[in-house]
Order: sequence, then C-alpha cells, then structure tokens
Amino acid sequence: GAGVSQSPSNKVTEKGKDVELRCDPISGHTALYWYRQSLGQGLEFLIYFQGNSAPDKSGLPSDRFSAERTGGSVSTLTIQRTQQEDSAVYLCASSSQRIRETQYFGPGTRLLVL
Amino acid sequence: QQQVKQSPQSLIVQKGGISIINCAYENTAFDYFPWYQQFPGKGPALLIAIRPDVSEKKEGRFTISFNKSAKQFSLHIMDSQPGDSATYFCAARQGTGANNLFFGTGTRLTVIP
Repeated sequence: GAGVSQSPSNKVTEKGKDVELRCDPISGHTALYWYRQSLGQGLEFLIYFQGNSAPDKSGLPSDRFSAERTGGSVSTLTIQRTQQEDSAVYLCASSSQRIRETQYFGPGTRLLVL
Repeated sequence: QQQVKQSPQSLIVQKGGISIINCAYENTAFDYFPWYQQFPGKGPALLIAIRPDVSEKKEGRFTISFNKSAKQFSLHIMDSQPGDSATYFCAARQGTGANNLFFGTGTRLTVIP
C-alpha cells in the first residue's frame, strides 16, 4: 500500500470490554511499532516488532495490553478489560530494514472508553 | 519520567517570522534526533533529523541546531507560513540496538497571516 493504514479510525467502547486495533504496515517494512498519544502528551512507545525476532514489549503499560504480528506483516494491538485511562490515539508506524531510523506513521485509531 | 523535554508547549508566530522550538535530553546513549510534524487528524510525519556528530542540519526553511555538550537541540523554521501551523514533536532514539523513539510532549505552532 501507499502508506501505513490503521483500522478502525475511531472506536468507542464501554469500560471493561476488550478492543482490537489493527495496523497494516508499508509493504516490505520489517519493523513495526505501536505508540500511544494521550491528549496533550507526546507519543508513548508501547511495543516494537523487528522481523522474526522476539518483540520489545518494554513499553506496554500493563498486562491488559498485548500485540501480535502475523506473518511479519499485519499487527493487532489488543486491550483487555478497557479502562477510561486507556482513552487515547493509538498510532502504528513501520520502517524498512535499509533505513531503520525513518518511521512512517499511520493516521491512528482514536479510542474512547466510556 | 520524560526522557525528552520540549518547550514551549505552544507558540504563535507572525507570518514571515522565525519559529524556534527547543528540546533537551539526559541520556547520552541517544544517537538519532528526528523532528516530526503532525496535522490534526493525521499521524506524525518525519520533517528533519540529525545525528550527534554534526551541529547543524538545514533542509529548506527548516534547520536543526544540535549542542552535544549541553544535550540540547532545537528546530528553527525560517519565514514561517500559515501552512506550517501544526504540532511539532522532537524525539530521540537510544542507540543502534533499539529503534523505538522517545518523544517530547509537542509544541503547537500557530502562524498568523
């Protein structure tokens, strides 16, 4: 595809429900990142996938958060038992093996937990 | 703990003026310092980036100044235009082994005609 795509663009859920957010990276990009952007805050790193290596999960805020990357492409971020403080924009980015520093971001998923 | 500190939080500049945004860091292992531009409803987009072995990098109207000893870097936007109105984030990467970025809290720039 032309860029990183994310779905859904907006998600409203009730406290306690599980949500799944999807990211389609740029074709051929081996690295994939998830970040969270809370209102008025910078981007907070969540998790990083690089090829077939074990993911770097050091940024996940709690065990309610998990992510998978199937077939080295599409990734799903799952938030279980959502809380109101999980409300934020969840951004996905990807980068190529050749130019690893340059991360290309998707438009994000705006999550609102009521 | 905020690894990269950014200021100001918001900035209003007259068209044609110079916009200056500052960032500071403590971790000397950081080896790559990008600036991202974000428009409302969009994801951040890479604007310009610098490595610590140079003190300045210029691309068009955008310049990064880097002071390694002070652990500070700044973005200068010359001849600011209304189309530059956006939120700007500085960031830093810790070493070549890791590739995730630590972001500042952002500066909302408004350029008034």
